[in-house]
Amino acid sequence: GAGVSQSPSNKVTEKGKDVELRCDPISGHTALYWYRQSLGQGLEFLIYFQGNSAPDKSGLPSDRFSAERTGGSVSTLTIQRTQQEDSAVYLCASSLVLLAGVELEFFGPGTRLTVL
Amino acid sequence: GQQLNQSPQSMFIQEGEDVSMNCTSSSIFNTWLWYKQDPGEGPVLLIALYKAGELTSNGRLTAQFGITRKDSFLNISASIPSDVGIYFCAGRPNRDDKIIFGKGTRLHILP
Repeated sequence: GAGVSQSPSNKVTEKGKDVELRCDPISGHTALYWYRQSLGQGLEFLIYFQGNSAPDKSGLPSDRFSAERTGGSVSTLTIQRTQQEDSAVYLCASSLVLLAGVELEFFGPGTRLTVL
Repeated sequence: GQQLNQSPQSMFIQEGEDVSMNCTSSSIFNTWLWYKQDPGEGPVLLIALYKAGELTSNGRLTAQFGITRKDSFLNISASIPSDVGIYFCAGRPNRDDKIIFGKGTRLHILP
């Protein structure tokens, strides 16, 4: 499809296991964001990739969280040694700069992570 | 870091009523965005604002970029049941900065 896609849509894992969440941005979008949303809460920024620049990792909550963006396209968010408090919906968004100062951001449907 | 203060946190209204929500910042933003999130979905962009004073409409939705560049509001006229959801404001302080989100306004429509 033409939108941002994320996989899996749902992931249930046991405490202590590692998980990988994938985001396929819209083709040609240079920026990619990861957010976390706990039930009924707002969006918590995790990490931001923009072109070839070093990613802004300032939102990652601990060193158990990491993300990569390969070839300026697909991104993977990895959570090691998952904890129950990691349970949330993980949202990915990509954005396109239309012209100087004009950037539109589009979200994927999210991955719902449940840590038992 | 920079934060956006979005209010109200929740709204309970009757179908047909108009709705107004706003977002403020202690510092200047050069882009304001409004999103809506339906249950189980990712947020969807409603309106994007790029100039101070800009007033933009999208159907029954109207949003404005405040003159001071520190606030924005979103109005929904004649609300209908499908307007239920969470509305997020978002902004970018400068052109190359990442987007910052407010905590959302949860809109409920009473039967």
